[in-house]
Amino acid sequence: DAGVTQSPTHLIKTRGQQVTLRCSPISGHKSVSWYQQVLGQGPQFIFQYYEKEERGRGNFPDRFSARQFPNYSSELNVNALLLGDSALYLCASSDRVNYGYTFGSGTRLTVV
Amino acid sequence: GESVGLHLPTLSVQEGDNSIINCAYSNSASDYFIWYKQESGKGPQFIIDIRSNMDKRQGQRVTVLLNKTVKHLSLQIAATQPGDSAVYFCAENGGNQFYFGTGTSLTVIP
Repeated sequence: DAGVTQSPTHLIKTRGQQVTLRCSPISGHKSVSWYQQVLGQGPQFIFQYYEKEERGRGNFPDRFSARQFPNYSSELNVNALLLGDSALYLCASSDRVNYGYTFGSGTRLTVV
Repeated sequence: GESVGLHLPTLSVQEGDNSIINCAYSNSASDYFIWYKQESGKGPQFIIDIRSNMDKRQGQRVTVLLNKTVKHLSLQIAATQPGDSAVYFCAENGGNQFYFGTGTSLTVIP
C-alpha cells in the first residue's frame, strides 16, 4: 500500500512568490493535517481537514491556506513567501480525527 | 498553547544497551500521546501511542510509560540497534492538533 505521498519533494522559491504543495493521503484516510518543521525543531501544526472541512488551524498568518478535495487529497498554499517560510512541510493522514498520524516524507521549501 | 518538552536534547548509547527518552507535558487534560521517530530526510514515523487511561504500553522492543501525576512520558527502547539512531519526538494531543516537542537525538554507538 502506498503511504502518504507529497509533491514536490524539494522546491526553491523567491521571496514574494506563491507556492502550492500537494498531498495524497493513505487510501481510506479522510483526515489530513499539515505541519511545518523548521530545522532543529519539532513539527508545528498548520491545518487539519476532515471530510473536506477545516477542523483546525494553527497559529500561522493568513498567507497560509489549504483545502481538501473530494478524493481527500489536499493542497497547502502559501502566498507572499518570506525567508522564514523555509522549512520542511509535512502532510499527515489518519482514518480518524486526532488519532495516530502517518506522515509523508515532506516537501523541503527553500525561500531565497 | 501547549508545551511539550524533552529533558535531554541528545542521547548516546552503546549498541545492545537499553535507551530511555523522556518527555514532559504541561496540559493535564491531554488524553493521548504518540512517540515518533524521525530519520534524516524523512517524515516522522509512528512508533507507539498511549491513552491517558493507561500507565504502560508495550510494542516490539519499545515501551511507553505515562506518569500523569508528574505529567511525564518516557520511551524505552530495548537492545538498541544502529538503526534506532534518529530524532525522537513525543506528541501530545490537544484539540484538533498534536503538539510536538523539540526532539531528542539518539545516537547508537557500535
